Amino acid sequence: AQSVTQPDIHITVSEGASLELRCNYSYGATPYLFWYVQSPGQGLQLLLKYFSGDTLVQGIKGFEAEFKRSQSSFNLRKPSVHWSDAAEYFCAVGVRDRGSTLGRLYFGRGTQLTVWP
Amino acid sequence: EPEVTQTPSHQVTQMGQEVILRCVPISNHLYFYWYRQILGQKVEFLVSFYNNEISEKSEIFDDQFSVERPDGSNFTLKIRSTKLEDSAMYFCASIRRESSETQYFGPGTRLLVL
Repeated sequence: AQSVTQPDIHITVSEGASLELRCNYSYGATPYLFWYVQSPGQGLQLLLKYFSGDTLVQGIKGFEAEFKRSQSSFNLRKPSVHWSDAAEYFCAVGVRDRGSTLGRLYFGRGTQLTVWP
Repeated sequence: EPEVTQTPSHQVTQMGQEVILRCVPISNHLYFYWYRQILGQKVEFLVSFYNNEISEKSEIFDDQFSVERPDGSNFTLKIRSTKLEDSAMYFCASIRRESSETQYFGPGTRLLVL
């Protein structure tokens, strides 16, 4: 069965420091991988996604993630964190519905990021 | 930029009451989803909907739940007789077409069952 693990519930970094949020998945086929961010009172905003091709993907707000099949990981990184990055981050695995539709997403528990000034 | 909207943002109800959560997907989107997040837990898939019928549903989506697209714009989730454990944030999402790669999420409805 598909599952996603985000081992860090809460991470605190200083503004300007680098960031890496971990995500491991379990899925039998080629995964479709996503990172979403949720600010308080807001919906889930897509940061980036991986479907195929280059294993290093770039997203919005200066984030990137690297797909490592051998480690079943899709870690999110940012070289220099800004105070506005404080939010909750969710990793998700997508599976195809019948046909080619992107069906349900399986989410991790989320990682809450706090940024110190 | 078009957005998925959801109403109400918060709802408080008594156990046993019916609630209807409303979503307006992005206008040219064709596939719709409901997810929920119980406080402190993962976001969980409930149901997907296409062409006026359910495409897939999870084990959570029992007979107490139903979905409907009553007109060309709204997509609703009805909980027939709410239980305390239905208290959660409910998210609606949509995608544009069959091969689309991104689900766009609404801001959620916080449901509290007393």
